[in-house]
Amino acid sequence: DGGITQSPKYLFRKEGQNVTLSCEQNLNHDAMYWYRQDPGQGLRLIYYSQIVNDFQKGDIAEGYSVSREKKESFPLTVTSAQKNPTAFYLCASGQGSSATNEKLFFGSGTQLSVL
Amino acid sequence: DAKTTQPNSMESNEEEPVHLPCNHSTISGTDYIHWYRQLPSQGPEYVIHGLTSNVNNRMASLAIAEDRKSSTLILHRATLRDAAVYYCILRDGEGYNYGQNFVFGPGTRLSVLP
Repeated sequence: DGGITQSPKYLFRKEGQNVTLSCEQNLNHDAMYWYRQDPGQGLRLIYYSQIVNDFQKGDIAEGYSVSREKKESFPLTVTSAQKNPTAFYLCASGQGSSATNEKLFFGSGTQLSVL
Repeated sequence: DAKTTQPNSMESNEEEPVHLPCNHSTISGTDYIHWYRQLPSQGPEYVIHGLTSNVNNRMASLAIAEDRKSSTLILHRATLRDAAVYYCILRDGEGYNYGQNFVFGPGTRLSVLP
């Protein structure tokens, strides 16, 4: 089945630790995105990538890093610099054009908590 | 960026129609109106989008006001599986930084009563 796979579903981070969230898609989409969602809130954009080996900061990039070495993969690292990392993290992909019919396809999310 | 305003929550009875409103008084001529919904503990999913004309698909209908300053997502017969947060989003059809054009506000939490 085509889609976006995020792993793990639940992740725990210790103080001072970096953790990496995985996002893989087999939809052949050029663009990929990472959003953060806090309880009862909307989604906030962390980073996005329009093409392999290129990515841009979103609204809340501080304390996060990404890479885009392959079209299918867009991992997100939550660094120790992110002081309030507890949230629900969502990865999405899209065709990557400015086409009016672009739709975002989301993964099922990773819940990150601090120990 | 143009913003949208939605009620925080709405209730509906099962098998009745639901009309979810969205105000976007500062919409520009190139903004498309998108709707997504998020089921509990899942990522959002696309529902429908349109520019000026009303749109229908298998999930819902989108009614757009003539002045485009508001729109309404219509679920013709609500089921328990339609209980979700519904997001109304404006997306600039000519924007280059399209990733930043998908701005998800708090949305409307729809409860469906059996």
